[in-house]
Amino acid sequence: NAGVTQTPKFRVLKTGQSMTLLCAQDMNHEYMYWYRQDPGMGLRLIHYSVGEGTTAKGEVPDGYNVSRLKKQNFLLGLESAAPSQTSVYFCASSTDSQGGTQPQHFGDGTRLSIL
Amino acid sequence: EDQVTQSPEALRLQEGESSSLNCSYTVSGLRGLFWYRQDPGKGPEFLFTLYSAGEEKEKERLKATLTKKESFLHITAPKPEDSATYLCAVRINAGKSTFGDGTTLTVKP
Repeated sequence: NAGVTQTPKFRVLKTGQSMTLLCAQDMNHEYMYWYRQDPGMGLRLIHYSVGEGTTAKGEVPDGYNVSRLKKQNFLLGLESAAPSQTSVYFCASSTDSQGGTQPQHFGDGTRLSIL
Repeated sequence: EDQVTQSPEALRLQEGESSSLNCSYTVSGLRGLFWYRQDPGKGPEFLFTLYSAGEEKEKERLKATLTKKESFLHITAPKPEDSATYLCAVRINAGKSTFGDGTTLTVKP
């Protein structure tokens, strides 16, 4: 059972560089999410999607863009990386059954360092 | 503004020493309260969902309870393998969950 798969697992960037983080889920879930987690803190929602072709802003969206062209994939982009974006990024997915109150399934994260 | 506060930040227990973790929340229209376990270098793993005040869920040595203002995660006779960070999250709609900062539990043999 693959569940939620994130690539890459680690990445080091220089300030100003761009990159895309990929999230893939094989559970046919409608909802997908991108979070960041900083040391000693919980998860903060960056962007989310309630279905293919849709995206919405979360709590900390500035500096990030997302796309959901296929139901199983959710991409997170950094156009011009900044040191403040050094973090661990988690992708999650959940089913839309029961009014979207089902738990989220998480990947194991992408550890991103911006120098 | 929706808020979730977890306490304590860190908890150290001896094996077999029972205790509780607290999750206090202020939200409008709770759709569900979730407990997750997170091991170092891993993503959060789902433990429980609670939907209404008075509800309780149990799994092995863990028991979660819910009131209108807070949730408790009770750990009975913990073992070293229960050491992890425990995260609480509240869902107010399909797209958004607000997470607490977590409680890091260490159980010493």
